[in-house]
Amino acid sequence: SAVISQKPSRDICQRGTSLTIQCQVDSQVTMMFWYRQQPGQSLTLIATANQGSEATYESGFVIDKFPISRPNLTFSTLTVSNMSPEDSSIYLCSVPGTSGSIYEQFFGPGTRLTVL
Amino acid sequence: QKEVEQNSGPLSVPEGAIASLNCTYSDRGSQSFFWYRQYSGKSPELIMFIYSNGDKEDGRFTAQLNKASQYVSLLIRDSQPSDSATYLCAVPAYSGAGSYQLTFGKGTKLSVIP
Repeated sequence: SAVISQKPSRDICQRGTSLTIQCQVDSQVTMMFWYRQQPGQSLTLIATANQGSEATYESGFVIDKFPISRPNLTFSTLTVSNMSPEDSSIYLCSVPGTSGSIYEQFFGPGTRLTVL
Repeated sequence: QKEVEQNSGPLSVPEGAIASLNCTYSDRGSQSFFWYRQYSGKSPELIMFIYSNGDKEDGRFTAQLNKASQYVSLLIRDSQPSDSATYLCAVPAYSGAGSYQLTFGKGTKLSVIP
């Protein structure tokens, strides 16, 4: 399985500011996924990040609010822009496993974000 | 909107008992089903997947799939306190433009009482 690290592990931010979350994988992967897990809720996919192309956003998520970079096959960033308390969540990146199914995903440790 | 429904629990079972976790899904065309385990404060980890009707066993875990009833379950035999976690059911669902996304249920919190 892939080893995934995320930075920061947690942060407390002020309303109206932005935070960039980094995701680093120990092997090259074509697809990386960004999820949000709001308190007491399940995981919701924000976007899929492919190297060399624009990220694909799910319904309800837009690039202006959650810009994503994917400069190479082992790294991605997610920025949460102009934050409000409603953005307080755990943000996780994930990558597919080696089975060939993109649904067998390995998750990073997550970034716990609190917006005041 | 494709839906994956789970009883949020908490489900409490005594140590050594069988824990039964259930999941229903709305997309009749779904072909594969995944169970993830999430310990408190940790990220989800894949523990089982099933593609065919019937049972699939892996150690103390058994996944059961009934596509006609749109129902998938996870049985944990000889439950241990270390099994205490939230169990998330996940189903690929069509999200438009030829792509699929993994849709998660809200999870069932399991507590195994020593």
